[in-house]
Amino acid sequence: QVQLVESGGGVVQPGGSLRLSCAASGFTFSSYGMHWVRQAPGKGLEWVAFIRYDGSNKYYADSVKGRFTISRDNSKNTLYLQMNSLRAEDTAVYYCAKEGVGRFGESLGAFDIWGQGTMVTVSS
Amino acid sequence: EIVLTQSPGTLSLSPGERATLSCRASQSVSSSYLAWYQQKPGQAPRLLIYGASSRATGIPDRFSGSGSGTDFTLTISRLEPEDFAVYYCQQYGSSQFTFGPGTKVDIK
Repeated sequence: QVQLVESGGGVVQPGGSLRLSCAASGFTFSSYGMHWVRQAPGKGLEWVAFIRYDGSNKYYADSVKGRFTISRDNSKNTLYLQMNSLRAEDTAVYYCAKEGVGRFGESLGAFDIWGQGTMVTVSS
Repeated sequence: EIVLTQSPGTLSLSPGERATLSCRASQSVSSSYLAWYQQKPGQAPRLLIYGASSRATGIPDRFSGSGSGTDFTLTISRLEPEDFAVYYCQQYGSSQFTFGPGTKVDIK
């Protein structure tokens, strides 16, 4: 079945780096855009980044621009998020999510499949 | 950046009652790009509605979405025990995606 599995979370000191991975299965990964969305403890959802199906376009939230980099390896069905210069406010569960696409291949601007998330804690 | 506001913050209802959740945008949102999600504690969000009014795959027809411009509504016609959760609206525009702060539907 369609599945997204995140990994790579953990505890890191402020200013440190971490790379998250998201392994996709059950669908043609190379055909879909992918997102990272995060949720701080007890808070709401915040979109972080998007990458087009072929990696040709990437968008970022202002809060992470210049510090985080989204990438993908379609040969490995894997999405990545490289996080540098981490701050306490980056502490959150990080979800990868698949771009929803309509019957004619158009983007729905929504996230139709989500992973279970990986926790990132930035603390000294 | 378009800011989404949801009301009420918490909705206390009984099973079988009708729930009406509001999502208001700081500027006009394309109806094609307004979505609703349900999230239960310890779980990932689940897509309910996309394009303001289209139900996602497998979503029961007691969930419906409506609205346009800056005002959107999610309606749950008769609350089932499994519907008590937090609901988020979300929009896409100008290469940015934003979520509302959420409405918690809890048992009265």
